[in-house]
Amino acid sequence: QVQLQESGPGLVKPSQTLSLTCTVSGGSISSSGYYWSWIRQQSGKGLEWIAYIHYNGDTYYNLSLKSRVIMSVDTSKNQFSLKLSSVTAADTAVYYCARYDSVAYRTFDYWGQGALVTVSS
Amino acid sequence: DIQMTQSPSSLSASVGDRVTITCRASQNIGVYLNWYQQKPGKAPQVLIYGASSLQSGVPSRFSGSGSGTDFTLTITSLQPEDFATYHCQQTYTTPRTFGQGTKVEVK
Repeated sequence: QVQLQESGPGLVKPSQTLSLTCTVSGGSISSSGYYWSWIRQQSGKGLEWIAYIHYNGDTYYNLSLKSRVIMSVDTSKNQFSLKLSSVTAADTAVYYCARYDSVAYRTFDYWGQGALVTVSS
Repeated sequence: DIQMTQSPSSLSASVGDRVTITCRASQNIGVYLNWYQQKPGKAPQVLIYGASSLQSGVPSRFSGSGSGTDFTLTITSLQPEDFATYHCQQTYTTPRTFGQGTKVEVK
């Protein structure tokens, strides 16, 4: 059973960079056909896909956030990461990492429990 | 970007009711539409993929239909564990976009 777990600071100051890491267990991040994703949810709102990355480095971004987002993958640690720069209060949200199955079902089939990140001074 | 619009935003229902939630895409997405269920404080879970295929382990009281721009999630005979928020998501193209969610509450 694949499991994902987000980690990182829960509080970030405005204008700084939000950094989160997702650790994958129960499966290899190097499996073909999967993209490793970040999705966020602001309080009381819908889900917003941020970006996803393949283990070979192929990355797709939501254009609305692309100028501030960097994703990376570390296959040796079975981890992938998100950096979101120049954050404001509008970036306060629960951040989920998730696996996207791009071949069989085209779904976000496994999710982390979510990490609340608050942007505040 | 493809906009996904769900209706209603919330609804009140009783155990045993039939519940229908709709999702409309701003352009034709074929059957590239998924439905997720999210309970408070938890991550979403896949219910339906490909507009009408039931994810393994999901009860048969859940069903999905539609194609093109108009889609429906139906829950026949609502159960206590079904009170949750439901999200549609298009998987036709990037950015992968979600509807705003429909909260199913106790009447």
